[in-house]
Amino acid sequence: DAGVIQSPRHEVTEMGQEVTLRCKPISGHDYLFWYRQTMMRGLELLIYFNNNVPIDDSGMPEDRFSAKMPNASFSTLKIQPSEPRDSAVYFCASSLGQGNLDYGYTFGSGTRLTVV
Amino acid sequence: RKEVEQDPGPFNVPEGATVAFNCTYSNSASQSFFWYRQDCRKEPKLLMSVYSSGNEDGRFTAQLNRASQYISLLIRDSKLSDSATYLCVVGNFNKFYFGSGTKLNVKP
Repeated sequence: DAGVIQSPRHEVTEMGQEVTLRCKPISGHDYLFWYRQTMMRGLELLIYFNNNVPIDDSGMPEDRFSAKMPNASFSTLKIQPSEPRDSAVYFCASSLGQGNLDYGYTFGSGTRLTVV
Repeated sequence: RKEVEQDPGPFNVPEGATVAFNCTYSNSASQSFFWYRQDCRKEPKLLMSVYSSGNEDGRFTAQLNRASQYISLLIRDSKLSDSATYLCVVGNFNKFYFGSGTKLNVKP
């Protein structure tokens, strides 16, 4: 089991550029979550999907952020245009079934985004 | 007010010490409680779930106090390898709130 795979591991981009973060969930998991972690705000849920359908995007900060899940094995989080305050670590997580935060819930290694 | 609040620390303790962290939450309807551990520049990983009656896993004991809306984590006989940030997590079905974490440094 390869776990949740995120790419890239690190991304440095200039303000105003488009950034795309990618996530491959664990095969068979039907829930996928995108989180953002900063020193100031901690770990925040941005959006989650069930069976590829977005269920709750109330955590998405603004229209510059969008997320898609075109199939069960791939999701993207896009920021356009990026701003320095978007600098954070973005985690993807997946789970099976009800999506409780227990042993069936796995985080990826994260993408460290720096916007300069 | 934040959904979940934790003392950021750091807690600096010697090996073998007992250390306890608390975490308060604002939503009295919360049903699920967890402690996660996060090492520097790594992803969070589940340490243990927290059950109403309290539960223990080796050197770790978690407690829930619904009346006062807090959960606690007790670490006995702390090891160097326990050095990490401990995240409190509270929520319900798919809506979970993470605390900002409490940093623990265990010194030789």
